Amino acid sequence: DAGITQSPRHKVTETGTPVTLRCHQTENHRYMYWYRQDPGHGLRLIHYSYGVKDTDKGEVSDGYSVSRSKTEDFLLTLESATSSQTSVYFCAISWDRADGYTFGSGTRLTVV
Amino acid sequence: QKEVEQDPGPLSVPEGAIVSLNCTYSNSAFQYFMWYRQYSRKGPELLMYTYSSGNKEDGRFTAQVDKSSKYISLFIRDSQPSDSATYLCAMSEGGSGYSTLTFGKGTMLLVSP
Repeated sequence: DAGITQSPRHKVTETGTPVTLRCHQTENHRYMYWYRQDPGHGLRLIHYSYGVKDTDKGEVSDGYSVSRSKTEDFLLTLESATSSQTSVYFCAISWDRADGYTFGSGTRLTVV
Repeated sequence: QKEVEQDPGPLSVPEGAIVSLNCTYSNSAFQYFMWYRQYSRKGPELLMYTYSSGNKEDGRFTAQVDKSSKYISLFIRDSQPSDSATYLCAMSEGGSGYSTLTFGKGTMLLVSP
């Protein structure tokens, strides 16, 4: 999607290793979000950010941490990956809190 | 009771049919209502955005919000095979506090030629 990119697009990692996913935007949007999407659960919010160094937890934040040192980058870290964190991870951005979100193309993460 | 309920489908229709997709919700504070379309292995894309009750039309798509019944709908006229996707409803409270979007789990739509 134009203006928002996620990297890597695919990753396979071993249980117990740390993993960092990157979301980069060129839209200068204030709000950024990390979601995971799983069959039967839909989209679930992990963490979100409402400004540089300002972040908060979502409904499924255990085992995840985030950082936002620049407006354009929002990093999601799995501190010690587990098989239950195998999922598709989406980053999203929004200009204002009531705006619709623009989603990235997703990162497909497999923890073996 | 989950905050947002959406039938997972799949909903199968022939090309040209009128499609009705629906969500119900329990939080009366929701004011902003959206529909997203998600193709397989892609990110969701915003399709329709409405505030409060009423209808909004955009081409073949009409979004309808009935806050009194806590019910929202998306109608697709003259459905096309390219409309085959998963449709997610989403809503937020807005207001002075900060609230993130609450998503339904999505309805899979299959339009056959």
